[in-house]
Amino acid sequence: AQSVTQPDIHITVSEGASLELRCNYSYGATPYLFWYVQSPGQGLQLLLKYFSGDTLVQGIKGFEAEFKRSQSSFNLRKPSVHWSDAAEYFCAVGLLTGGGNKLTFGTGTQLKVEL
Amino acid sequence: EAGVTQSPTHLIKTRGQQATLRCSPISGHTSVYWYQQALGLGLQFLLWYDEGEERNRGNFPPRFSGRQFPNYSSELNVNALELEDSALYLCASRPGESGYTFGSGTRLTVV
Repeated sequence: AQSVTQPDIHITVSEGASLELRCNYSYGATPYLFWYVQSPGQGLQLLLKYFSGDTLVQGIKGFEAEFKRSQSSFNLRKPSVHWSDAAEYFCAVGLLTGGGNKLTFGTGTQLKVEL
Repeated sequence: EAGVTQSPTHLIKTRGQQATLRCSPISGHTSVYWYQQALGLGLQFLLWYDEGEERNRGNFPPRFSGRQFPNYSSELNVNALELEDSALYLCASRPGESGYTFGSGTRLTVV
């Protein structure tokens, strides 16, 4: 069964510092990979996605992620964090056809930004 | 283009009652996905409807059910509510390969 691991439950960074959120997945084939962000009491907003091709993916709000097949990882990065980036971040894997069409989510990483 | 809309925003029910949650996907999208986000349990896949049919179901008891209407909107029904059903219920639709678009959710509180 597919699974997603986000090893960091909480991360605190200073505003302006760089950020890397880790995501590892376990799946028999190369899945489709997503990062979502959730502000308190809100739904999920898609930051970026990887389907195929270039392994470095650019997303919204200055985020990027790199797919590393050999490490089964899809880490999210941002070179300079803003206070408004404080939120919970979820990595997810899925298949767009087959596989029951469901997304499997990691447990999330809560990001705190210190001013 | 309107996004995924969910109603109500908040719902408070008593244990044993039934709750009905509603979702309208992005116009033209035929699939609706339901997820439960309970405290401490993360985001769990509940149901997938497409073209009016239930296509897949997560590991939830039968008292979680739903349906999809001809206009592709969907209802999620939770019968015999239990305290642990308190959660944020998220609905999503999928515009092709652009990833899943989520609504803002319905916060269900069971007292």
